[in-house]
Amino acid sequence: GNSVTQMEGPVTLSEEAFLTINCTYTATGYPSLFWYVQYPGEGLQLLLKATKADDKGSNKGFEATYRKETTSFHLEKGSVQVSDSAVYFCALSATGTASKLTFGTGTRLQVTL
Amino acid sequence: KAGVTQTPRYLIKTRGQQVTLSCSPISGHRSVSWYQQTPGQGLQFLFEYFSETQRNKGNFPGRFSGRQFSNSRSEMNVSTLELGDSALYLCASSLTGVLIIDSGANVLTFGAGSRLTVL
Repeated sequence: GNSVTQMEGPVTLSEEAFLTINCTYTATGYPSLFWYVQYPGEGLQLLLKATKADDKGSNKGFEATYRKETTSFHLEKGSVQVSDSAVYFCALSATGTASKLTFGTGTRLQVTL
Repeated sequence: KAGVTQTPRYLIKTRGQQVTLSCSPISGHRSVSWYQQTPGQGLQFLFEYFSETQRNKGNFPGRFSGRQFSNSRSEMNVSTLELGDSALYLCASSLTGVLIIDSGANVLTFGAGSRLTVL
């Protein structure tokens, strides 16, 4: 079946540091890939997405590239802020399906001044 | 444009009771999905409803059920509650539940969740 593996957290960074959160996946066919973010006490917010191989999703300074050859979708940001502190989830959906997502375990990011 | 609204936000039940959670999707969205989030199992898909019919189902026991009304609002019910049912239950909606690959349109929008504590 489908699965998503994320790096273990927590990740602690100083403000303005570079962020990478690794995500790899196992899936049949051509899945779509997502990063969601969850702030304390809130639901999930879509951060970015990529629906085809080599697509780059980007939003609010975050980027991730859909790499089919390495089955990866790593999240990056060049300069993190304290306000980026949250839990980040990598997820995939099977071809054509939007409603049934398979999530990774989540990576908690803590950014300090 | 209002987002996905879930009620109640917090509730406490005891073992053996049942609970009903409600979800109002974004106006015009006809697909509603439910997820369970726990520290141990993470985020797991429960089921999806589209046009009042269950279209997809995850691997949960029959104690977990749901329904969707003609206005697309959805409810989920958990009967005979167990301690392990304590979780954040998230509802998400999309227009049709089918991802449009080229544009990436029709992704899920999540609500803030209903936090259930079973004592």
